[in-house]
Amino acid sequence: RKEVEQDPGPFNVPEGATVAFNCTYSNSASQSFFWYRQDCRKEPKLLMSVYSSGNEDGRFTAQLNRASQYISLLIRDSKLSDSATYLCARGYGQNFVFGPGTRLSVLP
Amino acid sequence: SQTIHQWPATLVQPVGSPLSLECTVEGTSNPNLYWYRQAAGRGLQLLFYSVGIGQISSEVPQNLSASRPQDRQFILSSKKLLLSDSGFYLCAWSVGGGTDTQYFGPGTRLTVL
Repeated sequence: RKEVEQDPGPFNVPEGATVAFNCTYSNSASQSFFWYRQDCRKEPKLLMSVYSSGNEDGRFTAQLNRASQYISLLIRDSKLSDSATYLCARGYGQNFVFGPGTRLSVLP
Repeated sequence: SQTIHQWPATLVQPVGSPLSLECTVEGTSNPNLYWYRQAAGRGLQLLFYSVGIGQISSEVPQNLSASRPQDRQFILSSKKLLLSDSGFYLCAWSVGGGTDTQYFGPGTRLTVL
């Protein structure tokens, strides 16, 4: 089993929709979790950190379920500009492991 | 504020040629530094990380090497490039001392022909 797994998508949703991604991890000792956004041919940029049960920032909500070993990202009222690949990552010590990413396309 | 620079932005090299990619961080001291590679359509693969000058940990055995000659400088090198070395190389930094958010540089897109 891979350390961090994500559904690669693509998720094609209409503008204004709510969309959710899950990310599962296998290392129960993981200390911290992150969601990054990566636009085509660009570097990943931090979207949210998830240190406890969850975090919310505007239209974005991240939740952590340690018992089931997954984190989720919910995007409400999707915008065209939300189209990107969303990477989740888990950290333990200096060790960071990224998932392969989930591609989101928001359609007009 | 902290900034991270990488150069060159793009590079086309023949098989067997050497490689040197540079990454520098400004606005912070004693950062953790990382080199990742992202092959086309693939996830991020951690290649090396460093917690201090001269301290390099290798995650994947291959024909690449890394060095940290100064606190905020991280260099990725190869003596002879392979076709499989093509990819998007990303440098990242985090606050030293533990697991913390990683921030990425703009990356170098390498094509080996």
